[in-house]
Amino acid sequence: GQSLEQPSEVTAVEGAIVQINCTYQTSGFYGLSWYQQHDGGAPTFLSYNALDGLEETGRFSSFLSRSDSYGYLLLQELQMKDSASYFCALKGGGATNKLIFGTGTLLAVQP
Amino acid sequence: GAGVSQSPSNKVTEKGKDVELRCDPISGHTALYWYRQRLGQGLEFLIYFQGNSAPDKSGLPSDRFSAERTGESVSTLTIQRTQQEDSAVYLCASMTGPSYNEQFFGPGTRLTVL
Repeated sequence: GQSLEQPSEVTAVEGAIVQINCTYQTSGFYGLSWYQQHDGGAPTFLSYNALDGLEETGRFSSFLSRSDSYGYLLLQELQMKDSASYFCALKGGGATNKLIFGTGTLLAVQP
Repeated sequence: GAGVSQSPSNKVTEKGKDVELRCDPISGHTALYWYRQRLGQGLEFLIYFQGNSAPDKSGLPSDRFSAERTGESVSTLTIQRTQQEDSAVYLCASMTGPSYNEQFFGPGTRLTVL
């Protein structure tokens, strides 16, 4: 099967940089995605890594290392509105394009 | 444009009753997913539809759960003989197609089984 692990909670201060890690076990997959979910809201897409390396999108960057079965989401210049849950998710594997989500990391940004 | 919509937004039912949840995907999106999210937990994959292909039902937790989708339009998730452990938010997502990466989520249906 497939499984992903993330830290349950991370706390950081406004303006800082924070890294949210994701380790996974899988026999095969197409890529690693990251989603943000504010309390009571719908998840929204942040990034996708098909290949090893760093993908940058504004203040957010995501990294994947297939050899280490590891990825992370890097948030820079933290803002209060970044307080949310962040999920990594494996796309595909086998004959399907389903997403298998991690356990989620609750990020609390403090002033 | 219009996003993914789901109805009802909230549903309270009694144990043993059947419920039907509806998802209207973004027009033109061929891929549609259902997920379950229990309070404070991650998203649990339930079922995936891609065009007219046979759906991937590997995430359905029991035979009380079923889903249908006609073509590339509306999908319904049916839970028969609901149990208290079925209480959760049920999220629907659609995607342009299998080669795309961004899933667009609806607001979810919060199901409470008394």
